[in-house]
Formats: sequence, C-alpha cells, structure tokens
Amino acid sequence: QKEVEQDPGPLSVPEGAIVSLNCTYSNSAFQYFMWYRQYSRKGPELLMYTYSSGNKEDGRFTAQVDKSSKYISLFIRDSQPSDSATYLCAMSARGTYNTDKLIFGTGTRLQVFP
Amino acid sequence: DGGITQSPKYLFRKEGQNVTLSCEQNLNHDAMYWYRQDPGQGLRLIYYSQIVNDFQKGDIAEGYSVSREKKESFPLTVTSAQKNPTAFYLCASRRTGLNSPLHFGNGTRLTVT
Repeated sequence: QKEVEQDPGPLSVPEGAIVSLNCTYSNSAFQYFMWYRQYSRKGPELLMYTYSSGNKEDGRFTAQVDKSSKYISLFIRDSQPSDSATYLCAMSARGTYNTDKLIFGTGTRLQVFP
Repeated sequence: DGGITQSPKYLFRKEGQNVTLSCEQNLNHDAMYWYRQDPGQGLRLIYYSQIVNDFQKGDIAEGYSVSREKKESFPLTVTSAQKNPTAFYLCASRRTGLNSPLHFGNGTRLTVT
C-alpha cells in the first residue's frame, strides 16, 4: 500500500463548478499537508499549506484536513479554465529524516471546460 | 525575481552517456532537492542537500550523483548506470525549518535513446 493515495483522474468539470480533490494516507505521523498545482511541462507551485486538522481558506481554494480519517481535500469554488492542471497533494511527518521529507501523491489531472 | 532556474528545458542523450542537469536558485535557501517525476507515480526524491558541501541520498539515488559546492547551485549528473533515465527532473529548494514549503523549478525533460 502506498503511503499516499490520490485518484489520478482526469476529472472534467464545467466552468463554475465546485471541484473536490482528495488524498488519503496511511501514516498517522503526518502533520504537515500541502497542495501543489502543476501546469503541463512546468514545476509544481505551492497552493495551500496546512498544519494538523481543520480548514484553511484562500480565495477560491479551501484545504481541509481530517486526521482521524487520514483524509485531506482541496476544494475549488467557481472553477475556471485556468484551473486546468494537475494537483498534487504532499505531506510530511515532523522531524522525518531531519528535513521534513515530503511524500507526494501521484496527482489528479483536472480539466475545466468553458 | 527570485526563483529556481533549471536548464536546459529539454535534453536528449544517447544511452551510455553521462549528462548533467543544472539547477540554480537565488532565494538564499539552504536546502536543495532533486526529484524525478514519472507518469502515474508521485515525485520521488533522488538527492538532497541541507548545506554546502554536504548531501544525502534520497529514495532512488542509484545511478545519480550530485555536488553542492555553492549555496546557489545543485547540479545533478545522470550516469550511464541509471537504468531508466528518461524522465522529468525537478529541482526544489526551501529554507531550513520545519514549516518551510518546497519551491520548485520548471524542470528538465531528459530523453535517453
């Protein structure tokens, strides 16, 4: 079993839809959770960064962490064609390798059509 | 603008040749990383370095080598010993400290035939 599981998609939605992207994980030591957005042939860029459980909102994006279920989500409201990209979840356990080694999901490809 | 520069964007090599990928950052970050990205797999850590003149193997270091002679630079050499070198290679950096996220370059696509 992989430490982090993420549905690869593709997920195709119409413009304006609410998008839900999810990751599950097996390591209960994970405490830091990140979402990265990666456009085709580009490097990932950090979208959201959360610590422990709860919600964090930034504009149209909301990150949600449920540590009891080992489940994290990224919600995108009023989705736009410019949101079309691959979304990677990443997480780390405090102190692992002394460098907060990140474990990445495989990424979910999102397509928002006009 | 501060950032991470990877060059070249595309690289083609014949099997059996060593090739070096460049990574330069002007973010004044202490730690630098090399990842490999393959379709259907998460990013996999090749090597990382927390300070100049020091680096550690990641999960898939076999067939790769690195150096860290300057804070700004962390080149990766893909040697002929790497069995499946064709991939998208990403360099990243971060400030040291438990809460610092990774910042990525735009990658180098290496094709070996």
